[in-house]
Amino acid sequence: DTAVSQTPKYLVTQMGNDKSIKCEQNLGHDTMYWYKQDSKKFLKIMFSYNNKELIINETVPNRFSPKSPDKAHLNLHINSLELGDSAVYFCASSPHPHSTTNEKLFFGSGTQLSVL
Amino acid sequence: TQLLEQSPQFLSIQEGENLTVYCNSSSVFSSLQWYRQEPGEGPVLLVTVVTGGEVKKLKRLTFQFGDARKDSSLHITAAQPGDTGLYLCAGLHLPSGNTPLVFGKGTRLSVIA
Repeated sequence: DTAVSQTPKYLVTQMGNDKSIKCEQNLGHDTMYWYKQDSKKFLKIMFSYNNKELIINETVPNRFSPKSPDKAHLNLHINSLELGDSAVYFCASSPHPHSTTNEKLFFGSGTQLSVL
Repeated sequence: TQLLEQSPQFLSIQEGENLTVYCNSSSVFSSLQWYRQEPGEGPVLLVTVVTGGEVKKLKRLTFQFGDARKDSSLHITAAQPGDTGLYLCAGLHLPSGNTPLVFGKGTRLSVIA
C-alpha cells in the first residue's frame, strides 16, 4: 500500500530512444510533481500538476512530456533521450494546493535513468 | 531565483556526537522545510517551520527558523547510525504565484557506530 509509487525503479536505455516513467498516488492528493535529482543530489522541479492541469513547467526541454490521465496519475514521457538526461527522477504529491505555506511533498522512491 | 545554500556539504561523525547543519539564503522565505533522504529512496518530510525564530523539536532533532526567515538550522543530539542520510532544506517564497519549493543541495551525514 505504497503512497506514491513509480515504475520502473531502474531504466537503462540507449541515446535516442523514447521511454516513459509512470507514477501513481493513493493518497487522494490533488497536486502532483516531477522532480529531477542530478548526480550531485540537487533536486529540481520539472512539472507540477493540480487536478490534472499543468501548473508549472520549469524550462524543461519539450522532449519531456508529462501526462495526467486523472489526478492520481502523472506519467512522464521522454523522447529522443540524451546522455544528460541521466539522473534520478522523482514523482511527488501534495495534499495542499501548490504554493501555500502548508505545501508538503510526499515522494516516490525514484527512477534511476541511465542513458548510454 | 531564490537560492538555498547548505553547509557543510558532507559530515562524518561518531555515534553519540552532536552536530548542526545549516541552510542559508539571501532571500526571505514564507516557510522552510527539512527532508531526509536515504539511499535509493525519495526525500521524507521531517518538519515545516513558518514563523521567524520558531523552534521545533522532533525527538533528538531540533529545527530553528531564523528571525529574518532567511536561514534555518538542524541540530542533532547524540547522533545515531540511523540518522545517516541526505538532509535537504526547501524554502517556499510567498506571494509566489506558481513559484515552486526551492531545494538546497543537501548535507550528506554519515554516523559511524
